[in-house]
Amino acid sequence: KQEVTQIPAALSVPEGENLVLNCSFTDSAIYNLQWFRQDPGKGLTSLLLIQSSQREQTSGRLNASLDKSSGRSTLYIAASQPGDSATYLCAVNNNNDMRFGAGTRLTVKP
Amino acid sequence: EPEVTQTPSHQVTQMGQEVILRCVPISNHLYFYWYRQILGQKVEFLVSFYNNEISEKSEIFDDQFSVERPDGSNFTLKIRSTKLEDSAMYFCASSDATFQETQYFGPGTRLLVL
Repeated sequence: KQEVTQIPAALSVPEGENLVLNCSFTDSAIYNLQWFRQDPGKGLTSLLLIQSSQREQTSGRLNASLDKSSGRSTLYIAASQPGDSATYLCAVNNNNDMRFGAGTRLTVKP
Repeated sequence: EPEVTQTPSHQVTQMGQEVILRCVPISNHLYFYWYRQILGQKVEFLVSFYNNEISEKSEIFDDQFSVERPDGSNFTLKIRSTKLEDSAMYFCASSDATFQETQYFGPGTRLLVL
């Protein structure tokens, strides 16, 4: 059974810092990996999708990488802003069954 | 921009009652999903649905749960006899041509079972 782990559980940084969120998974036979943002009490907003054949994806200040063989993905956020404060979730798709990590709660202080 | 919508946003019910959660996926999407998130816990996959039948389901999706696409726009999750532990946020999602595409989530329905 696929297990997804996210480290750290929480992170607090001053505005302007670059930061990296980590995601690891136990079964490398994945179709894709998706990073989401979740604001308190809200739904999930898709940030980036990386297919299993890809190494990275970029969108604005976000860059996600995937190393399928080692079961790892990172989400890099450049020049963080207070508006980036949220919980970031990593989700791995095996055979139409998406498994989520517990998330990293990010706080960016002005 | 098209989005997934869900109704109601909040529902309170008594234990043992039936509830139906409703979702309107993005109009040209073909794959539909339900997830749940118990307060403070991970988002958990419940079921995926394609071509009017269940594609995959998790161990959580037992006989008390069912899904239906009653018309061309709605996608519903029914819980036949609710239990206290069914209290959670329920998210609907949809994706384009294959399950390998980005899944777009609705805002969720918060279900409280008393």
